[in-house]
Amino acid sequence: GQQLNQSPQSMFIQEGEDVSMNCTSSSIFNTWLWYKQDPGEGPVLLIALYKAGELTSNGRLTAQFGITRKDSFLNISASIPSDVGIYFCAGQLGGSQGNLIFGKGTKLSVKP
Amino acid sequence: DAGVIQSPRHEVTEMGQEVTLRCKPISGHDYLFWYRQTMMRGLELLIYFNNNVPIDDSGMPEDRFSAKMPNASFSTLKIQPSEPRDSAVYFCASSFGPTGILGYGYTFGSGTRLTVV
Repeated sequence: GQQLNQSPQSMFIQEGEDVSMNCTSSSIFNTWLWYKQDPGEGPVLLIALYKAGELTSNGRLTAQFGITRKDSFLNISASIPSDVGIYFCAGQLGGSQGNLIFGKGTKLSVKP
Repeated sequence: DAGVIQSPRHEVTEMGQEVTLRCKPISGHDYLFWYRQTMMRGLELLIYFNNNVPIDDSGMPEDRFSAKMPNASFSTLKIQPSEPRDSAVYFCASSFGPTGILGYGYTFGSGTRLTVV
């Protein structure tokens, strides 16, 4: 089946540092979404992207829909302890009306 | 809106026992998804429904797993008999349309943490 390659798998950073993670695929996507999962909870939507090249911010978070439509990245600036969790990318394949495909997640740990 | 409601939050059961997980989707959503999350495999889609009809169950690992959606406001995922390797967090999610309203994706429940001993 189609896969999203999400990297890195995990990150250990110091509070205040910036974070960058990305998702890539060999296929074209219509939509890219980024979710965050807090410990013990379900994933919650952070940012949704709909057009190639689109750059969207949500507070300290910034995400971009890659020009080739095959990738997306998420940046977190000035990390704080509550940024801890697992971040998932998800997307809908181009030319399909199918359900979302999820990446395997990036686990973020922040040291105070 | 109470969101997607799952029960129980935690379940500990002995190997061989039947386990039933429950989900109430958001009212008005026409898609319902069951996922399993483990450290090794991440989020795996098990099955999804559209208007209460199962559309794709190719992710269901074995015949021991079954899911039903008798009406628009309730779904169950049953494991019979359960095995230790079924231990995981099971999530239910719902959406309006296959990718959510305006493509805003799915709303997830808080999950059921299943431990089979």
